[in-house]
Amino acid sequence: QVQLVQSGAEVKKPGASVKVSCEASGYTFTSYDINWVRQAPGQGLEWMGWMNPNSGNTGYAQKFQGRVTMTRNTSISTAYMELSSLESEDTAVYYCARGRKGTMIVVVIPYYYYYMDVWGRGTTVTVSS
Amino acid sequence: QSDLTQPASVSGSPGQSITISCTGTSSDVGSYKFVSWYQQYPGKAPKLMIYEGSKRPSGVSDRFSGSKSGNTASLTISGLQAEDEADYYCCSYADSSTSVFGGGTKLTVL
Repeated sequence: QVQLVQSGAEVKKPGASVKVSCEASGYTFTSYDINWVRQAPGQGLEWMGWMNPNSGNTGYAQKFQGRVTMTRNTSISTAYMELSSLESEDTAVYYCARGRKGTMIVVVIPYYYYYMDVWGRGTTVTVSS
Repeated sequence: QSDLTQPASVSGSPGQSITISCTGTSSDVGSYKFVSWYQQYPGKAPKLMIYEGSKRPSGVSDRFSGSKSGNTASLTISGLQAEDEADYYCCSYADSSTSVFGGGTKLTVL
């Protein structure tokens, strides 16, 4: 079945970097975007960015520009998210999610859609001195 | 980009209907973009409930429906059941190929 399997929990010190992996199976890895979404304890979902596994193109939320890097290894159908200069506020569960996008014509007007239909189980990253 | 605005909490009794609103701007919800909705139980990953504004993935109950008017999208759950108690998030495509989530709504079934 279609699934995304994420790497295990990480504990990092402030100022360090963390790299989380997301292995896809059950579908063609290069056919769909991979998004990264995080959730701090007791907080809501926060979109971090997307990557096109085919081209390697990426798009990041302004908040994370310069601090996040999303890459992939197509030979093993795995996406990676690296976050640098960690602070305690980066303590969160990090999810990868498959992105689906397209355009639908509604009464001659093009509507754009984007949604995340398959999610990993999350990777807990704890930043503590 | 700013978060989409959702009520922090809503509640309803079993069998009733509830609606969760999601208000954005002309750059996201109000533009020619469809909203998606996600359900999340504590300690679990989010689950897609509504996509392309009003479509349901296979396996999602038809008690869940989505709509939009102007800058506000809505998720309606009819025939409320105890198992519907969870957090719900809206998400919209925004400018520059980015996405933005709402702050989330905690649904309590009384």
